[in-house]
Amino acid sequence: DGGITQSPKYLFRKEGQNVTLSCEQNLNHDAMYWYRQDPGQGLRLIYYSQIVNDFQKGDIAEGYSVSREKKESFPLTVTSAQKNPTAFYLCASSLTGNYGYTFGSGTRLTVV
Amino acid sequence: GESVGLHLPTLSVQEGDNSIINCAYSNSASDYFIWYKQESGKGPQFIIDIRSNMDKRQGQRVTVLLNKTVKHLSLQIAATQPGDSAVYFCAENMNNNAGNMLTFGGGTRLMVKP
Repeated sequence: DGGITQSPKYLFRKEGQNVTLSCEQNLNHDAMYWYRQDPGQGLRLIYYSQIVNDFQKGDIAEGYSVSREKKESFPLTVTSAQKNPTAFYLCASSLTGNYGYTFGSGTRLTVV
Repeated sequence: GESVGLHLPTLSVQEGDNSIINCAYSNSASDYFIWYKQESGKGPQFIIDIRSNMDKRQGQRVTVLLNKTVKHLSLQIAATQPGDSAVYFCAENMNNNAGNMLTFGGGTRLMVKP
């Protein structure tokens, strides 16, 4: 079955470390997105990519980086420059055009 | 997601009652709307969508109503069950050259009392 997979489900990071969150989809979707969600809050867009080898900053890109070398993959790196990285991170993908998103199950990142 | 908002951050209903979750949007050019359900610790799941050429769409126990005149979207859940307890997000999409970009509302928490 097609879907979108995020890993790991839980991730712990020491202060000053970079960590990379994985997002893989086999839905043949062109567009992929990363959102951050804090407790009791909505979704905030970090980065998005409408096509391979191209991506744009969202509303809260500072302290994050992405790559889109393959259509299926859109990894997110949380760098040491992100001062408050503890959050729930959601990846999504979609077809190009006026369609909804399919979300992954999320990665909960905690700084220890 | 600033152009999409919700009137009620928390809605508490009795099991078996109908639930209505509301959403206001400000972009009159938006032509596609979606409702998502997010359970605790999970990713949002698609519930139902509606395009701007319609004013009502029904699914299994859910109905979405779109009022373009007042830019209002609502999700109705019939015979609410404990499994419906979750946070519900509305989202809008403006079909433009910027690609497929949804704008999400802040979410409403639905609590179902047994």
